[in-house]
Amino acid sequence: GDSVTQMEGPVTLSEEACLTINCTYTATGYPSLFWYVQYPGEGLQLLLKATKADDKGSNKGFEATYRKETTSFHLEKGSVQVSDSAVYFCALIPPGSNYQLIWGAGTKLIIKP
Amino acid sequence: EAQVTQNPRYLITVTGKKLTVTCSQNMNHEYMSWYRQDPGLGLRQIYYSMNVEVTDKGDVPEGYKVSRKEKRNFPLILESPSPNQTSLYFCASSLQGRGTDTQYFGPGTRLTVL
Repeated sequence: GDSVTQMEGPVTLSEEACLTINCTYTATGYPSLFWYVQYPGEGLQLLLKATKADDKGSNKGFEATYRKETTSFHLEKGSVQVSDSAVYFCALIPPGSNYQLIWGAGTKLIIKP
Repeated sequence: EAQVTQNPRYLITVTGKKLTVTCSQNMNHEYMSWYRQDPGLGLRQIYYSMNVEVTDKGDVPEGYKVSRKEKRNFPLILESPSPNQTSLYFCASSLQGRGTDTQYFGPGTRLTVL
């Protein structure tokens, strides 16, 4: 079945370091791909999305490119801040499915000053 | 302000005592959904609703009920809670549930069943 695999956390970085959180997926066809962020004590917020191959989603300095050939949607940021500390979830909606987000397990990111 | 609200935010209860977690959205969205979040498992969908009076099971519906009598509300009902339902619950809504629609999440309800 369809699935999403994220790198396990926690990921600990110093402020201004470069960030990559890996996400790969298994799905037939062309799913829509999402990154959600959950700040401490809050609900989930959509960070960025891409709905077709080679699309790049971007928001708040984060980017992710939909790579069909490697079935990946890695999250990147060039210079992280302490305020980026959160849990990041990769998710997909399979093609032909209008209903259900399929989620990765989440990656906790800790940024130290 | 466009938002999804849930109540209560925190709840401690005992096994077998019926409870309801409310969810309301003010964006006139057709699609609403309930998830539970457990450590290491990410989010798993419990139930979803494509519109008023239309509901369907997600991945983990056992022990839960839902209803959608009005477009804005989608309560989650635990008729006889058990300790394995201790979890963090999120309600979400989107325009029509399509792959291109953004899902908006409520702040979460942390439920403990003793």
